Amino acid sequence: AQRVTQPEKLLSVFKGAPVELKCNYSYSGSPELFWYVQYSRQRLQLLLRHISRESIKGFTADLNKGETSFHLKKPFAQEEDSAMYYCALSGRGKLIFGQGTTLQVKP
Amino acid sequence: DTEVTQTPKHLVMGMTNKKSLKCEQHMGHRAMYWYKQKAKKPPELMFVYSYEKLSINESVPSRFSPECPNSSLLNLHLHALQPEDSALYLCASSPLFSNQPQHFGDGTRLSIL
Repeated sequence: AQRVTQPEKLLSVFKGAPVELKCNYSYSGSPELFWYVQYSRQRLQLLLRHISRESIKGFTADLNKGETSFHLKKPFAQEEDSAMYYCALSGRGKLIFGQGTTLQVKP
Repeated sequence: DTEVTQTPKHLVMGMTNKKSLKCEQHMGHRAMYWYKQKAKKPPELMFVYSYEKLSINESVPSRFSPECPNSSLLNLHLHALQPEDSALYLCASSPLFSNQPQHFGDGTRLSIL
């Protein structure tokens, strides 16, 4: 079964602290993995995709096929990073979202 | 133009009304999607159109009726909705119906009285 699991509903850190938002998936095949972000009162937007292997806004994510994980990391959190983060899997074109993690960065 | 535009932004309707949600994109994308999103929950896929043909209907009740008049437009016709249908309705598009990133609109916030 295709599934995306984000174990933390809320992650609260102080500004400047490292951040890791966890994502695990199950999929029989070669999925495409994404991180989407939804800032307050803004549209859902793509943050990262695993095949591009780039860093956006200081965030990186590495696909670990052995552990079926795609964790999102940032070494130093900023207040403007506060948002809802969704990990998503694309299998045969359908996007399957995790339940989302709210990141709260405190000053 | 790299945006997906949805109208209206807000809609309040009674359970006997008929209304439509509209979505437009001018990125040349050939796949378009409707999602339903409840507060603090992830989007749930409702319909997928690929090359203006309905490809996926995720067992959505018939009171929701999608339409794709051309490659840039996607409508969602609403009739006899229930209070539990109140939600944010998101439209998205992608170049093809494949494992490519989807671009989302701002959504229509629908309230059923």
